[in-house]
Amino acid sequence: GAVVSQHPSWVICKSGTSVKIECRSLDFQATTMFWYRQFPKQSLMLMATSNEGSKATYEQGVEKDKFLINHASLTLSTLTVTSAHPEDSSFYICSARGPGLARTYEQYFGPGTRLTVT
Amino acid sequence: LAKTTQPISMDSYEGQEVNITCSHNNIATNDYITWYQQFPSQGPRFIIQGYKTKVTNEVASLFIPADRKSSTLSLPRVSLSDTAVYYCLVGDRDNFNKFYFGSGTKLNVKP
Repeated sequence: GAVVSQHPSWVICKSGTSVKIECRSLDFQATTMFWYRQFPKQSLMLMATSNEGSKATYEQGVEKDKFLINHASLTLSTLTVTSAHPEDSSFYICSARGPGLARTYEQYFGPGTRLTVT
Repeated sequence: LAKTTQPISMDSYEGQEVNITCSHNNIATNDYITWYQQFPSQGPRFIIQGYKTKVTNEVASLFIPADRKSSTLSLPRVSLSDTAVYYCLVGDRDNFNKFYFGSGTKLNVKP
């Protein structure tokens, strides 16, 4: 149980276009979802926290107009990278938490999405 | 926010016990200590969580001294498949607070 999926697993897009990444909790209700970015050989950097039905809270230095986050339902959160540029190329990972899990405090991570902007 | 410090990398051989220590000098009263494992190009996976003393599950043990300023993840009899990055996180789990990842420890298990 407690599976989180991401789609797509990898995507290549041209500079200036927008890309949407989906994060789904498959068997539990995710009241809170987190989005991370990870560059090669570096740690995960928290980008934003989203609670179902409310606006996301962005970490300092993360542009909210560039990284649009929508948590419209208890099982789905989306991250849209708008006007992507090569420096946005990274590994994007989401995680989810929610009540009713055996470990309500645990973050369940998705498999990640590799974004390459050309 | 309690920050964590870990060794950047460690080497071990198959069958050995590996202990990875994490320093968290300014841990708060309500903070728990959580360890995650990450393989390349995958999302992190929960290993173990504890508050004080010792916690053990089917894959690891977590030792936390009385002052809680550090913790040690113990992996018994590692195998090649345990080669990964291990992250120590500290945070208030009951308030559903966000957790920040430190640099992690790259464990290299050799045959």
